Order: sequence, then C-alpha cells, then structure tokens
Amino acid sequence: DAGVTQSPTHLIKTRGQHVTLRCSPISGHKSVSWYQQVLGQGPQFIFQYYEKEERGRGNFPDRFSARQFPNYSSELNVNALLLGDSALYLCASSQGFMAFFGQGTRLTVV
Amino acid sequence: SQQGEEDPQALSIQEGENATMNCSYKTSINNLQWYRQNSGRGLVHLILIRSNEREKHSGRLRVTLDTSKKSSSLLITASRAADTASYFCATDYQGAQKLVFGQGTRLTINP
Repeated sequence: DAGVTQSPTHLIKTRGQHVTLRCSPISGHKSVSWYQQVLGQGPQFIFQYYEKEERGRGNFPDRFSARQFPNYSSELNVNALLLGDSALYLCASSQGFMAFFGQGTRLTVV
Repeated sequence: SQQGEEDPQALSIQEGENATMNCSYKTSINNLQWYRQNSGRGLVHLILIRSNEREKHSGRLRVTLDTSKKSSSLLITASRAADTASYFCATDYQGAQKLVFGQGTRLTINP
C-alpha cells in the first residue's frame, strides 16, 4: 500500500509569490494534517482537516490556508511568501491515534 | 511554542551500545509517540504509548512513560549505524490530529 505522498519534493520561490503544496493520504484515512519544520526544530502544527472540514489550526498567519477534497487529498496554500517560510512542510494522515507522515516538501524562499 | 523537550540535544555513541533519549512535556496527555527522521526527510512512526501505560517494547526499542513526572524515555538497544537519525517525541492531548513535538535528539552511531 502506498504511504502518504507529497508533491513537489522541492520548490524554490521568490518572496511575495504564492505556493501550493499537495498531499495524498493513505487509502482509507480521512484526516490530514499539515506541519512546518524549520531547520533544527521539531515540526509545528499548521492545520488539520477531517472529512473536508477544518478541525484545528495552529498559530500561523492568515497567509496560510488549506483545504481537503472529496477524495481526502489536501492542499496547503501560502500567500505572500516570506524568507521565514523556508522550511520542510510535512503532511500526515491518521486513523485513530497514530499519524503517518509523508516525505515532505522542502520549500526555499529567496 | 513547543511542549516537549528532548534531552540530550545530541548523542554520539559506538555501534553496539545502547542509546537513551528523554522527553519532558508540560500538560496532561492522551498519548505520547516517538518518531525518527533521517536527514531532514519524513517522520517515521516508531512507537505509541498511551497515558495509562508505563512501558512498551517494539523490537530493539523500549519506551517508558512517567505521567507524574511528565516524562518519557526511548531506549534503543544494540545500536546500529542505520539508527543514526533525529528522534522526536510528540504528545497528543487533543487527539492524533494535533501533535506537539519537541526539538528532537540528534543521534549519531559511530562504526
């Protein structure tokens, strides 16, 4: 079975641009969460979606938004990119208590 | 801010030795999980321990949980070079959908 898949794996954007990151959960998982991991730190929670509805939001500005589609895949959007948005963005799908992570998207803002 | 703190921040040992990492957290939890991350890529789930459990084993891994001290430890026995990675604890107090991670322990296994 395929695990959590994320695309793209790497991305370079310029300050002020917009970016869309994509995530496909494990088959049968209805919950998707997004995390930001800055170099040298642990992941920080951004959003959680379940059955297409937002169920949780972390301490991130409104430039960050997300949505979940009927097939449970998800997109994370970030507007007006800042240098500080450079990070590894991780998607996790869960069923029950355990969360399973994808390989992440490495975003570099220049 | 992050709830958990791992200790030590970095650990370097010889292959075959045991590695112990500790995690402390601040609030009451439902579960505590340990993850491994290789070279800044995705997180691999290692083990979950529930708040009403005190010890759990999985292969060469042993996890303990002391809710009175709000702490957990991860022991890797008979370490191998492939165990070189960063290890994170993550606490769950609002369901699995929101995990709060510590800053991690960077483990290096020397051949």
